[in-house]
Amino acid sequence: ETGVTQSPTHLIKTRGQQVTLRCSSQSGHNTVSWYQQALGQGPQFIFQYYREEENGRGNFPPRFSGLQFPNYSSELNVNALELDDSALYLCASSLYGERWTGELFFGEGSRLTVL
Amino acid sequence: QKEVEQNSGPLSVPEGAIASLNCTYSDRGSQSFFWYRQYSGKSPELIMSIYSNGDKEDGRFTAQLNKASQYVSLLIRDSQPSDSATYLCAVNDGKLVFGAGTILRVKS
Repeated sequence: ETGVTQSPTHLIKTRGQQVTLRCSSQSGHNTVSWYQQALGQGPQFIFQYYREEENGRGNFPPRFSGLQFPNYSSELNVNALELDDSALYLCASSLYGERWTGELFFGEGSRLTVL
Repeated sequence: QKEVEQNSGPLSVPEGAIASLNCTYSDRGSQSFFWYRQYSGKSPELIMSIYSNGDKEDGRFTAQLNKASQYVSLLIRDSQPSDSATYLCAVNDGKLVFGAGTILRVKS
């Protein structure tokens, strides 16, 4: 069974730049969720994708956008980077069957630093 | 905004003791609850889920749920230094809403 993989693991950008983070979901899972975790805080929900469509979004501005592909992998794009975007970005996969159990399996994360 | 509250800690316990981690949530209608463990610099790892009032045991871990009091707890028996981590409580609101986590330190 293949777990959730994310890339890149670390990256440094400057204010105003754009970034794309990638995630491959765990084998057998069809739902991908993205979270932002600032230092010392719990993960904050960005959005969730199911069947290639966004099916839930947290309190993040439109410059945070995403995609899910037919193989259930996903991208998170952030435009016009701000200093406060510096955080660990976590991708989690899960299975949405008759209902969503809520059991998330996280990748190792992408640590973004904005200078 | 639905909220999940945890004491940030750190909670320090001696090796072999019982560690008790607590969490309260704001939405009385919440139905499912989760505990995740996060080692420093790593991603969260699911420890347990609980859906019904009462206790659920898995090895050294016991999750307790009291929906009337809107309270979830995690007990870790025979605590080991390897249990030292941040423990995140999460509630299913169509997406998982996480607390800020409690830092646990187990001293040998």
